[in-house]
Amino acid sequence: AQKVTQAQTEISVVEKEDVTLDCVYETRDTTYYLFWYKQPPSGELVFLIRRNSFDEQNEISGRYSWNFQKSTSSFNFTITASQVVDSAVYFCALSETGSGNTGKLIFGQGTTLQVKP
Amino acid sequence: DVKVTQSSRYLVKRTGEKVFLECVQDMDHENMFWYRQDPGLGLRLIYFSYDVKMKEKGDIPEGYSVSREKKERFSLILESASTNQTSMYLCASSVESTGGVGYNEQFFGPGTRLTVL
Repeated sequence: AQKVTQAQTEISVVEKEDVTLDCVYETRDTTYYLFWYKQPPSGELVFLIRRNSFDEQNEISGRYSWNFQKSTSSFNFTITASQVVDSAVYFCALSETGSGNTGKLIFGQGTTLQVKP
Repeated sequence: DVKVTQSSRYLVKRTGEKVFLECVQDMDHENMFWYRQDPGLGLRLIYFSYDVKMKEKGDIPEGYSVSREKKERFSLILESASTNQTSMYLCASSVESTGGVGYNEQFFGPGTRLTVL
């Protein structure tokens, strides 16, 4: 069965610190997709990234980077030089491939990141 | 600017009441979703719809039903509200994909915080 675990419930850092949010997943499928979503205080989740299970290259987007390691079933998210605006709840999610009405998203429990000035 | 709107940000109902949560999207998306978000549990899928009048059960459909009579509108119905349905309810939509309903970026509404007394 699919499962996503975000063991860190809450993280607190001071502005400009680097922070890594962990995500571990379980799936029996060989083809799947991994996601990160951000939920700011306004409540609306915002899509950050999608990763294909066949693409293990790390990805960098500005201060954000993602490290996908199939060997450890992990898809970690690092924010470099954190800012107060990064304060949010971050969700990791998994979907398996499928057509039509399959392949729904399974979310982790979420990690609340607080960045203090 | 893409938008998913939910009828209420906050709602208080009494046990046994029938409750309607409305969601409207203006992006002509085929897929629509209802999640509930609870502390420590992340987001859990209640129901989703991949077309008008089509619906599929998610992971926790018990006690809920849905209606999708028009493409832009997806309603969540609590037939007889109970206190354990007190939660944050999130609606989302996405374009269809051959990779499964979870593949494409989901756009979320701001959520409805429902309290059942």
